[in-house]
Amino acid sequence: EPEVTQTPSHQVTQMGQEVILRCVPISNHLYFYWYRQILGQKVEFLVSFYNNEISEKSEIFDDQFSVERPDGSNFTLKIRSTKLEDSAMYFCAVSGDTQETQYFGPGTRLLVL
Amino acid sequence: DAKTTQPNSMESNEEEPVHLPCNHSTISGTDYIHWYRQLPSQGPEYVIHGLTSNVNNRMASLAIAEDRKSSTLILHRATLRDAAVYYCILRDSGGGSNYKLTFGKGTLLTVNP
Repeated sequence: EPEVTQTPSHQVTQMGQEVILRCVPISNHLYFYWYRQILGQKVEFLVSFYNNEISEKSEIFDDQFSVERPDGSNFTLKIRSTKLEDSAMYFCAVSGDTQETQYFGPGTRLLVL
Repeated sequence: DAKTTQPNSMESNEEEPVHLPCNHSTISGTDYIHWYRQLPSQGPEYVIHGLTSNVNNRMASLAIAEDRKSSTLILHRATLRDAAVYYCILRDSGGGSNYKLTFGKGTLLTVNP
């Protein structure tokens, strides 16, 4: 049983368009993360989220990015105006009280044309 | 996060043991050693973690050097399904609410039938 699912699995968008990627935890988790992986490159941390606020963000996570948990369940990553270089796999991860293990979702493949 | 060094790639035969090394000479006293793996076209998956003592779980064993400057992930009997990129990651347990994972390039493990 996966700890987290992500939708959509694939998304194709035009440059300048807004996209929203969704992460749905299966069980109760306290900590939420977004990572991305550009094709052929390392997995990169974007942002961590705890207690309904951002706890840490990387340099990649600029003003074009935002995260929220609008209904206390889904955890979303919004990219306001996509750029070609935003094309990547985006992974959501969650962890529970111990913060020792992060469970990753299957990812959303975003292609910006 | 402290840096880790892993071989770029390793090869193994099916049903043989595999020892994946990791050097972390600048590890601090509060750093846990985590291993994740990423199967092709999937999100990272937790494998095992430890602090000072050797650890075993259903997936693998983790052998930690006495000075903690290196560790070895041991897959006791490799299967074709174990072909993946294996990441050795240090995580500070010293406090805070972020606990992001910093991925390197990892070791690409190829398992031959």
